[in-house]
Amino acid sequence: GAGVSQTPSNKVTEKGKYVELRCDPISGHTALYWYRQSLGQGPEFLIYFQGTGAADDSGLPNDRFFAVRPEGSVSTLKIQRTERGDSAVYLCASSLSGGGVVYGYTFGSGTRLTVV
Amino acid sequence: GEDVEQSLFLSVREGDSSVINCTYTDSSSTYLYWYKQEPGAGLQLLTYIFSNMDMKQDQRLTVLLNKKDKHLSLRIADTQTGDSAIYFCAETLNDYKLSFGAGTTVTVRA
Repeated sequence: GAGVSQTPSNKVTEKGKYVELRCDPISGHTALYWYRQSLGQGPEFLIYFQGTGAADDSGLPNDRFFAVRPEGSVSTLKIQRTERGDSAVYLCASSLSGGGVVYGYTFGSGTRLTVV
Repeated sequence: GEDVEQSLFLSVREGDSSVINCTYTDSSSTYLYWYKQEPGAGLQLLTYIFSNMDMKQDQRLTVLLNKKDKHLSLRIADTQTGDSAIYFCAETLNDYKLSFGAGTTVTVRA
């Protein structure tokens, strides 16, 4: 597609539930990134995919968070047993190749997750 | 918390210049960025500067880099109402990871 698409744009869930957030990167972009932006803060790195594999998942806060990219295109961020502290905007970005700092990132509009 | 620091708010009169300041921490950062975020929208890359440059100008935007003090600034000339947004400074931690500041909310008043 023309840009990075994230769905849903808004998600409200109850504490303890499971959620999936989807990211559809720009066609042909091999690198994909997830960031989390809490209220009043800048985005924080979660995970980086190069193709199908997670090259760096050091930013995932705990084992309730998991992300996949099975065919090297669409990615899904999965959160189990959601907690109120997980409420944030989850941003996805893609770049033409790894090394987004050179090739440039394109960010999606994000999914606003609210855990009640 | 972030290692990149920015002032949180800036109010500027329409037509004046805005200057947003940022202090970063990693002297090995190869690129430094300014992103703009409007309500309900994703991050839009405004401009970037390579670490071996002192200044970069792009139309109404001027970026100044002081590597010795690890200080980055963004000047917006002739600020317009459409410039009202949150501006994020970001440094590169490696060739794929960015570290962002908390953002500066710029309000343009008539």
